[in-house]
Amino acid sequence: DGGITQSPKYLFRKEGQNVTLSCEQNLNHDAMYWYRQDPGQGLRLIYYSQIVNDFQKGDIAEGYSVSREKKESFPLTVTSAQKNPTAFYLCASSERGYSNQPQHFGDGTRLSIL
Amino acid sequence: ILNVEQSPQSLHVQEGDSTNFTCSFPSSNFYALHWYRWETAKSPEALFVMTLNGDEKKKGRISATLNTKEGYSYLYIKGSQPEDSATYLCASPNRDDKIIFGKGTRLHILP
Repeated sequence: DGGITQSPKYLFRKEGQNVTLSCEQNLNHDAMYWYRQDPGQGLRLIYYSQIVNDFQKGDIAEGYSVSREKKESFPLTVTSAQKNPTAFYLCASSERGYSNQPQHFGDGTRLSIL
Repeated sequence: ILNVEQSPQSLHVQEGDSTNFTCSFPSSNFYALHWYRWETAKSPEALFVMTLNGDEKKKGRISATLNTKEGYSYLYIKGSQPEDSATYLCASPNRDDKIIFGKGTRLHILP
């Protein structure tokens, strides 16, 4: 079945460490996105990519980095510069021209600080 | 309205009753309005993407309407069932082409 796979489901980070969240899709979608959810908040856009080797900052990109070397993969690195990384992270993809295309989501990764 | 807003935040409905809730969004530079259903322990699932003023879409017992001139959309659920319990999210791209999500309406169906 086509879909989006995020791994791991749970991730623990020590302060000062960088961690990378994986997102893979086999839907042949051009566009991919990373969102963060905090309690009582909506989904907030971290980074998005409309095409391979290109990506743009979302509303809360500080302390995060991404790469898009392959169409099916869009990993998110949470760097030590992100002061409050504990959150639930969702990856999504859509066909290009995303404003009128539905987004398809992974199951998410919950990141906690030890 | 600068953000996408949803109301109510939470809703309890008796099984079999019908219900509806609201999404408000910026009416200027409108591109599209998305509705998603997010069940516990699952990933959000797209319900509708609406682009035209006056549009109405239906999927089983769930339907949605769109008013782009005044900046709101309603989601209706007819004859609520336990499986309708979920958080319903709406989202709309803004003028920078960044999609903005509301905080969601959490629907609880009471047996």
